[in-house]
Amino acid sequence: EAQVTQNPRYLITVTGKKLTVTCSQNMNHEYMSWYRQDPGLGLRQIYYSMNVEATDKGDVPEGYKVSRKEKRNFPLILESPSPNQTSLYFCASSLGFSGANVLTFGAGSRLTVL
Amino acid sequence: AQSVTQLDSQVPVFEEAPVELRCNYSSSVSVYLFWYVQYPNQGLQLLLKYLSGSTLVKGINGFEAEFNKSQTSFHLRKPSVHISDTAEYFCAVSDQLGGTSYGKLTFGQGTILTVHP
Repeated sequence: EAQVTQNPRYLITVTGKKLTVTCSQNMNHEYMSWYRQDPGLGLRQIYYSMNVEATDKGDVPEGYKVSRKEKRNFPLILESPSPNQTSLYFCASSLGFSGANVLTFGAGSRLTVL
Repeated sequence: AQSVTQLDSQVPVFEEAPVELRCNYSSSVSVYLFWYVQYPNQGLQLLLKYLSGSTLVKGINGFEAEFNKSQTSFHLRKPSVHISDTAEYFCAVSDQLGGTSYGKLTFGQGTILTVHP
């Protein structure tokens, strides 16, 4: 089944404890992206990647890092999480990176930082 | 840069009633338009999209949307809703030029549709 898989789905952590949210897609998609969803704000892009070793900042990149060493994987790294990073995170991918491409989303990762 | 405004944060409606979820956008260039749906505890799924051609677009589950360029709107409609349509709906835009926008979708704030029996 074609899908985007995120792990963990739920995580509670404490301020300053590094964590990684993994994202993997099995569709050979070129483009991958991370979004955070907050009530009343919709989804905002954190980082995106157009191919292996090609990543760039989205609208809200502060406090996050990403890497794209393999085409299928695009992990989101929080080096020193803070409470304002408590949110619902979505990874998404698409075949190409024109604006007409449809994104396939993962099921989401709900992160709470205490 | 684009922006998207969904005019209603919550829309309650009774089963079998019609519904309209409103979306307005702002952009200095031509855009592609999308509606995504998020069911409880799930990721987003594409409901429908407008790329070009007919301004009336039909999607899954009986939903349709009309692109109105002069009013910069892309309202979503369904003539008769079901309990199973209860979800959060997101309008989104991307620009047609690419460049530094590279496939970026700009989302609205979301509209929670609640269908009551």
